[in-house]
Amino acid sequence: GAVVSQHPSWVICKSGTSVKIECRSLDFQATTMFWYRQFPKQSLMLMATSNEGSKATYEQGVEKDKFLINHASLTLSTLTVTSAHPEDSSFYICSARDPGRTGELFFGEGSRLTVL
Amino acid sequence: AQSVTQLDSQVPVFEEAPVELRCNYSSSVSVYLFWYVQYPNQGLQLLLKYLSGSTLVESINGFEAEFNKSQTSFHLRKPSVHISDTAEYFCAVSYQTGANNLFFGTGTRLTVIP
Repeated sequence: GAVVSQHPSWVICKSGTSVKIECRSLDFQATTMFWYRQFPKQSLMLMATSNEGSKATYEQGVEKDKFLINHASLTLSTLTVTSAHPEDSSFYICSARDPGRTGELFFGEGSRLTVL
Repeated sequence: AQSVTQLDSQVPVFEEAPVELRCNYSSSVSVYLFWYVQYPNQGLQLLLKYLSGSTLVESINGFEAEFNKSQTSFHLRKPSVHISDTAEYFCAVSYQTGANNLFFGTGTRLTVIP
């Protein structure tokens, strides 16, 4: 099946620093990727839709200057949490749509960010 | 607008007992329906999906879900659960056209008791 890989799977950083999370589609080309955030024991909240070669579309309430998304190729999207603060600590999950498979999204393993 | 409701946040059940996890949705357009499972500190794995055709869909590990259009439901069932089924289960829907973003329910924590 289609594989989506995230890196790193976990990261700890100091407050004020920036952290980059990568999302790769390993065996298909993804023109669209999605970034979600999940708080403990809660559902996934869509943060933004990442479109290859164009600007990401952010959901209401998500700061685009805080969460920078780049989708420079058909197999890679990155999420950069800039000037991270403890409240940014969360589980971030990316997903990608395989154009060859109707409707289904494939998810990465998730990246747990802890900001001290 | 779409919404997905999972009424039960937690479902404890004894091993080998049957289980049903409920999911209802609302949408003014046709949708695809999914169940995803999440194990601790992991991403989501697709359990099963309904796109079209038979309203009863099955997974390889014994789960099944039935799309009921009149009741706008897509409940997940398993006749006999195992300890390894303990996980968080998310129901999700997407539009049949467009970006195919998923809208998730709040999740149901299934705990199988030995």
